[in-house]
Amino acid sequence: GAGVSQSPRYKVAKRGQDVALRCDPISGHVSLFWYQQALGQGPEFLTYFQNEAQLDKSGLPSDRFFAERPEGSVSTLKIQRTQQEDSAVYLCASSLATSGNTGELFFGEGSRLTVL
Amino acid sequence: GENVEQHPSTLSVQEGDSAVIKCTYSDSASNYFPWYKQELGKRPQLIIDIRSNVGEKKDQRIAVTLNKTAKHFSLHITETQPEDSAVYFCAATYNNAGNMLTFGGGTRLMVKP
Repeated sequence: GAGVSQSPRYKVAKRGQDVALRCDPISGHVSLFWYQQALGQGPEFLTYFQNEAQLDKSGLPSDRFFAERPEGSVSTLKIQRTQQEDSAVYLCASSLATSGNTGELFFGEGSRLTVL
Repeated sequence: GENVEQHPSTLSVQEGDSAVIKCTYSDSASNYFPWYKQELGKRPQLIIDIRSNVGEKKDQRIAVTLNKTAKHFSLHITETQPEDSAVYFCAATYNNAGNMLTFGGGTRLMVKP
């Protein structure tokens, strides 16, 4: 596809359930980011991949959050034992830029997670 | 780490008027400052960016100014139109941050016809 694709677009989970959110970046984009956007707030950085290497995971709020990008393309963000405070839109973004340079981030539409 | 503050949080203008949104950043190493527009339920999209080697950049009705000494940058939209209504986010990063953006809290711009 032409843009960053995320699935599911909407996910409702009961507290304590595990969820997995998928991101398909733009083909050829080396860098991939996950952001968390709470209602009415700006996106907050979660984690960053360059190819398959997770270079920064300092934004992950707890050890219940885990992200992977095993083949340097598709990425999955997994949240274990979901809590109500995990409710947010999870945005994935990809970029041609790598460490040492900057450039446009292309965002997906996001996955809206609601934890009941 | 970087901290970006954005003001105002909401801005209402009449169609045709100008709108100005201001951001400040804390890390003097930051050298890339993009602005993203996010319509309701949609993805953020880049509308303009500026690097630290210039003080101003224009693209039709949109302009961005940067004051490195004061560590602040602003978005200016002239001749506003109803389709400019959206949430605008400023952001900052630096070369060795791997393009990891720190975003401001957003400004909801409403353009009244």
